[in-house]
Amino acid sequence: DGGITQSPKYLFRKEGQNVTLSCEQNLNHDAMYWYRQDPGQGLRLIYYSQIVNDFQKGDIAEGYSVSREKKESFPLTVTSAQKNPTAFYLCASSIHRQGVRVPYNEQFFGPGTRLTVL
Amino acid sequence: GQNIDQPTEMTATEGAIVQINCTYQTSGFNGLFWYQQHAGEAPTFLSYNVLDGLEEKGRFSSFLSRSKGYSYLLLKELQMKDSASYLCAVGGEGATNKLIFGTGTLLAVQP
Repeated sequence: DGGITQSPKYLFRKEGQNVTLSCEQNLNHDAMYWYRQDPGQGLRLIYYSQIVNDFQKGDIAEGYSVSREKKESFPLTVTSAQKNPTAFYLCASSIHRQGVRVPYNEQFFGPGTRLTVL
Repeated sequence: GQNIDQPTEMTATEGAIVQINCTYQTSGFNGLFWYQQHAGEAPTFLSYNVLDGLEEKGRFSSFLSRSKGYSYLLLKELQMKDSASYLCAVGGEGATNKLIFGTGTLLAVQP
């Protein structure tokens, strides 16, 4: 089945350690995104990539890094520089849809990784 | 600046109709999306509006007024499984496909 996978679902790390969250998709989508979700707040964009070997900072990129060496994979590293890393992290990819009246780009989300830094 | 407002919580009764409002002020506009998110799960796409008017899809409908910066999601014949957060998101300008999300509305459907 096609889809987006994120692993693990729950991750615990000690303060000061870097941690990498995986995101893999077999949907053949060009664009991929990383969001962070905190209680009472909307999804906030960390990084996004429109194409392999290219990525752009989102609204809250500080303390994070990404790579896009393959179309299927867009791993996110949470570094020790990120001051409040405990959050729910969502990866997404997007496809262009024709739509009934107008075309649009639909984002598909992975199941998420809940990171807790102790 | 970018601002998207939705009510934080709503409660409705099984079988009833509920309308979830969303107002937005963004520097660009490339359509408005509604997503459903059950607790601890990934958001799933519900609807997209870029032209003014109503888009209907089964029990769910979404409305957009670009001049007013306003949208609503209408859920009919509510079921218990509709208890979830409903996220309003605006597509940003340009071809980046970036989305700006509101904080979400937590809907509780009661028997």
